[in-house]
Amino acid sequence: QSALTQPASVSGSPGQSITISCTGTSSDVGGYNYVSWYQQHPGKAPKLMIYEVSNRPSGVPDRFSGSKSGNTASLTISGLQAEDEADYYCSSYTSSSTHVVFGGGTKLTVL
Amino acid sequence: EVQLVESGGGLVQPGRSLRLSCAASGFTFDDYAMHWVRQAPGKGLEWVSGISWNSGSIGYADSVKGRFTISRDNAKNSLYLQMNSLRAEDTALYYCAKGLHPRSGYSGYDPFDYWGQGTLVTVSS
Repeated sequence: QSALTQPASVSGSPGQSITISCTGTSSDVGGYNYVSWYQQHPGKAPKLMIYEVSNRPSGVPDRFSGSKSGNTASLTISGLQAEDEADYYCSSYTSSSTHVVFGGGTKLTVL
Repeated sequence: EVQLVESGGGLVQPGRSLRLSCAASGFTFDDYAMHWVRQAPGKGLEWVSGISWNSGSIGYADSVKGRFTISRDNAKNSLYLQMNSLRAEDTALYYCAKGLHPRSGYSGYDPFDYWGQGTLVTVSS
């Protein structure tokens, strides 16, 4: 069981918006603004899409945005495109000895 | 262009050892924390270990603590993971990943902005 809880799958049609949630506790997501989101296409390495809750690295389209409320962080993708179909993982700093925890991942299907 | 190339994976029997390497290029290696993250077949990501830019701080996941040792050689732009007492549950693709912020510790404050393609470790008799 992963430390952070994500839905197993979400789907949307091209052009629509979707949101992926990532629920933790006050010891991780809720207690710190160190939530990141990674995109992983099949057979590829993960790619950083959002860091520190809502910051986008250079080169990431502004269709991707992040937010947080309480113990739940969210990744929103607007204007869905076929190439957005991938697995998405959240991660957070945690005050536990591990310091880094990931969610179980969410498979995004673009219909 | 940032490149991270892992090597050293393979098939190993339970209880044996393996040493992974990650060759880095395209950035000032000794300015950044480095990490190992693994992914079991068909499963999610799991942070394994991290090391600060100057090796001053090191951390491990509870699942590997006492069995794995991370190290780096800044003169050779290389990261290593010595894995001892390997178990079947250590079977995974092991990624080398670079921290985003310069002069950062190994902790979860620092996201991973570049990843290698991974090296597969299979622990089986």
